Amino acid sequence: AQKITQTQPGMFVQEKEAVTLDCTYDTSDQSYGLFWYKQPSSGEMIFLIYQGSYDEQNATEGRYSLNFQKARKSANLVISASQLGDSAMYFCAMREGGGSEKLVFGKGTKLTVNP
Amino acid sequence: NAGVTQTPKFQVLKTGQSMTLQCAQDMNHNSMYWYRQDPGMGLRLIYYSASEGTTDKGEVPNGYNVSRLNKREFSLRLESAAPSQTSVYFCASSVWTDKNEKLFFGSGTQLSVL
Repeated sequence: AQKITQTQPGMFVQEKEAVTLDCTYDTSDQSYGLFWYKQPSSGEMIFLIYQGSYDEQNATEGRYSLNFQKARKSANLVISASQLGDSAMYFCAMREGGGSEKLVFGKGTKLTVNP
Repeated sequence: NAGVTQTPKFQVLKTGQSMTLQCAQDMNHNSMYWYRQDPGMGLRLIYYSASEGTTDKGEVPNGYNVSRLNKREFSLRLESAAPSQTSVYFCASSVWTDKNEKLFFGSGTQLSVL
């Protein structure tokens, strides 16, 4: 079974609007971490945001926020006020607890921001 | 401000050839990783190193070996390249700061095996 599921292969949003990228995860651990990364067409991977499983508040980093719903095992990324430079692939990832160093990625969502 | 540096950026190999992908980080991170990225597959972990002197297998280790030469450097070796190893390879390192973990990636190596 997939550990990380991103159900949206592609998403489109108008410039200046908000967009939500979905991510669900599967783990039996109580302690885990969730990440979002951005990969522009140039190929580099850029860290966006992190949410620990014990964090009670949703993580925020500038225009990025993570809508963490633990009971539903979802960790959706919300990008507010989209910019043309936000067009990229976005990957959700999870590190499970127990001292594991294994970071598992979803298959990604391609976001296109239209002017 | 180099971060994670990977070399080479591009490489073409013939089936059966060997090569080593180099990775170095200047952030004093303990943990380092090698991933491969294939279309529609996301990133898959090949090997990782939690600290200097230790390495462990990830999801797809077959056909690869790694060396954690020192804290800075983590190399990936293909002993006998196969077309199935055509992929984009990313090295990464990570650090915990204030209950927040950050993973930093290199710019990637595009490898083609003919």
